[in-house]
Amino acid sequence: DIQMTQSPSSLSASIGDSVTITCRASQNIIYYLNWYQQRPGKAPQLLIYAASTLQSGVPSRFSGSGSGTDFSLTISSLQPEDFATYHCQQIFTTPHSTFGGGTKVELK
Amino acid sequence: EVQLEESGGGLVQPGGSLRLSCAASGFTFSHKNMNWVRQPPGKGLEWVAYISSSSSSVSYADSVKGRFTISRDNAKGSLYLEMDGLRAEDTAIYYCARTNYFTGGDYYVPFFDYWGRGTLVTVSS
Repeated sequence: DIQMTQSPSSLSASIGDSVTITCRASQNIIYYLNWYQQRPGKAPQLLIYAASTLQSGVPSRFSGSGSGTDFSLTISSLQPEDFATYHCQQIFTTPHSTFGGGTKVELK
Repeated sequence: EVQLEESGGGLVQPGGSLRLSCAASGFTFSHKNMNWVRQPPGKGLEWVAYISSSSSSVSYADSVKGRFTISRDNAKGSLYLEMDGLRAEDTAIYYCARTNYFTGGDYYVPFFDYWGRGTLVTVSS
């Protein structure tokens, strides 16, 4: 099974800060990597698919990069609505997939 | 507007059974592959099961294989998850999620573009 390790598990930041979350796969997943945002009490929402393609309607301050085993999600200027938990998902083993443990972004 | 709405969650004793439903609208349900994903309280996401658009292919996480059954009724626009032999560790919010695909070069990358709001399953005596 492919394991996904997300770091950090949580971070504190201020409005306007730039933050980066990383996700490491236990083996090469090329760019079969998606990112989701989950606000408290809500369902996950797709942010980025295929490692770097922004889902329609997602603000351009979100960006994704990486390939192989190392991936990152960057939020360039944190807004109040961005305080949430972020999940990466490998889907190289489709239809099986694995999520990372999540990164909670909190207000400092 | 695409909508997915789960129902059927509740409190069940260990060893018991439950059937979850997901009602889909706003898209041609029979053209899309679907999934169930769960999230234990305060924890991360776990993919549970997949079914192809025609029901010809199904797949399960090892943690539920042999106990859960995914199915769909394209005429009704509904997805189901039959859960038997429930255990305390099955306690979670269960989401249905639609699969879509990105095609780029030699790659065909799936992603979950729409999710329902979830239904809570609690397994406890």
